[in-house]
Amino acid sequence: GEEVAQTPKHLVRGEGQKAKLYCAPIKGHSYVFWYQQVLKNEFKFLISFQNENVFDETGMPKERFSAKCLPNSPCSLEIQATKLEDSAVYFCASSQSHGEAYEQYFGPGTRLTVT
Amino acid sequence: GDSVTQMEGPVTLSEEAFLTINCTYTATGYPSLFWYVQYPGEGLQLLLKATKADDKGSNKGFEATYRKETTSFHLEKGSVQVSDSAVYFCALKTSYDKVIFGPGTSLSVIP
Repeated sequence: GEEVAQTPKHLVRGEGQKAKLYCAPIKGHSYVFWYQQVLKNEFKFLISFQNENVFDETGMPKERFSAKCLPNSPCSLEIQATKLEDSAVYFCASSQSHGEAYEQYFGPGTRLTVT
Repeated sequence: GDSVTQMEGPVTLSEEAFLTINCTYTATGYPSLFWYVQYPGEGLQLLLKATKADDKGSNKGFEATYRKETTSFHLEKGSVQVSDSAVYFCALKTSYDKVIFGPGTSLSVIP
């Protein structure tokens, strides 16, 4: 597609439940990035993929968070045993290649609310 | 580490006023610089970008010039409209591909 698609738009989970978010990158883009936007607009980089391979996972919390990009499937970000502080908007972005000159195109985000 | 600083606001302007949102950055290497806009309840949209020193990015009446000597990328618009009300994020991207965002500047334009 011509836009990054993210589903669902909103997700509500009770504390301790699992949350799974999906992202379909722009067709032809081989890099996918996940960001977390918390209160006061702060963005945090989580993880990036080159096709189905992890490119950079330095931002991923070691516990509870995992992500995958499998061939012919949307990428996913999964949070096991959600906590209140996981409440945030999760943005996915894709780019054609890596390097300074390649801009990242962002999806509309998934708002996760943990109650 | 790499970082972006911008005035946080909120900024309130009357319609047709001149807008400046200051942005400065710290980075190793030669980053690309971006302004993103987030309208209420929506995702991030790329507003403009510049990939090297002295480049000027422009879109929808907004402009920003990549100033390497002052490590700045200030956003300007000569005459704002109510529809420009949004949060504006200055950002940089290095060769490591993470986009580093500033804290965002909330702009409200009143008729």
